[in-house]
Amino acid sequence: DAGVIQSPRHEVTEMGQEVTLRCKPISGHDYLFWYRQTMMRGLELLIYFNNNVPIDDSGMPEDRFSAKMPNASFSTLKIQPSEPRDSAVYFCASSSRLAGEQFFGPGTRLTVL
Amino acid sequence: GIQVEQSPPDLILQEGANSTLRCNFSDSVNNLQWFHQNPWGQLINLFYIPSGTKQNGRLSATTVATERYSLLYISSSQTTDSGVYFCAVWGSNYKLTFGKGTLLTVNP
Repeated sequence: DAGVIQSPRHEVTEMGQEVTLRCKPISGHDYLFWYRQTMMRGLELLIYFNNNVPIDDSGMPEDRFSAKMPNASFSTLKIQPSEPRDSAVYFCASSSRLAGEQFFGPGTRLTVL
Repeated sequence: GIQVEQSPPDLILQEGANSTLRCNFSDSVNNLQWFHQNPWGQLINLFYIPSGTKQNGRLSATTVATERYSLLYISSSQTTDSGVYFCAVWGSNYKLTFGKGTLLTVNP
């Protein structure tokens, strides 16, 4: 298996622009997680899906952030409008069961100028 | 929510030395994972170890769930072991909560 795939790997944008991050989970994994890593806050869970349905979005920072999972092999995390404080590395992870081992993608490094 | 504390925060070793990293957590857990974040930022799975002991080459891990801690042992360290080691636990809050990590530097 190719593992969790994320794109783009790097994104540089200007404040106010819309940003879309993409994730393909490991085939057969029913759980998909989005995390954000910053120096100040470390690694924190933003949202997770089970069978394409959002289960817990309490970590999403504000309404500018939204996530979707239209099918079992694709998820997006969108920021609109982006702000400099959104600069971080965003990871996607997947798992075959709720408390099971999570496997992480390579991450997307987002820089908002 | 559940608290995860890792120690030491920083560790510098000479190549060939052994080390022990510790992870303490504040509540019972269903899952505990150890990750290595390499200098390129990738999070690499080391162990999925809610309890007991596992070994993989030069690395081994032990989780004593009843006493709420886990240990990661690195033997005969190599420069490629450098990076940040994270402990993460899945508790009653239904989230994987990460510690702040241990930054390991292995010098040649």
